[in-house]
Amino acid sequence: SQKIEQNSEALNIQEGKTATLTCNYTNYSPAYLQWYRQDPGRGPVFLLLIRENEKEKRKERLKVTFDTTLKQSLFHITASQPADSATYLCAHGSGTASKLTFGTGTRLQVTL
Amino acid sequence: GEEVAQTPKHLVRGEGQKAKLYCAPIKGHSYVFWYQQVLKNEFKFLISFQNENVFDETGMPKERFSAKCLPNSPCSLEIQATKLEDSAVYFCATLERSPRTNEKLFFGSGTQLSVL
Repeated sequence: SQKIEQNSEALNIQEGKTATLTCNYTNYSPAYLQWYRQDPGRGPVFLLLIRENEKEKRKERLKVTFDTTLKQSLFHITASQPADSATYLCAHGSGTASKLTFGTGTRLQVTL
Repeated sequence: GEEVAQTPKHLVRGEGQKAKLYCAPIKGHSYVFWYQQVLKNEFKFLISFQNENVFDETGMPKERFSAKCLPNSPCSLEIQATKLEDSAVYFCATLERSPRTNEKLFFGSGTQLSVL
């Protein structure tokens, strides 16, 4: 079965720097990968989706890349702020309205 | 409404008791998903519905767990004879499923189930 790995359980960076989070998948290439943000006591909030035929997607300070050769997606937050501190989840989807397979998340802490 | 409403926020049950969780999807969203989040952010898919029909139930435990989405009622997830290992946060998520929505799931705030 498909497995999603987010190698870093936690990442600490200084305000203003770029945070880079990694998501690796095993087996077959997913139709798309999604990134969510989860704050304590809340449900995940959708951030970005990238499809297997796309190399890069951007939204404001966020950028996602998808490398099917490396079986990897990178999630970047530029000019990070303390308000970006949260857990970021990568999720794999295989098709229309399909169930998502989530990684275990990376807890990002942005300090002043 | 414009948000997925899950009730109750917290539910405490003694082992062997029944637990019932509710989810009111966003109006117009035709897909409903249930996920279980245990320690360390591990999300486990349970079941999904397209309107009132089961769409994918490959994650549902064969025993004790059941779910429904009936017209004009909140969706529900029921656990009969709860066990300690059922303690988790149960999230409901909904999907509009139109070309512009990008498979974007909207999650509720979850129900924290504690089985003692």
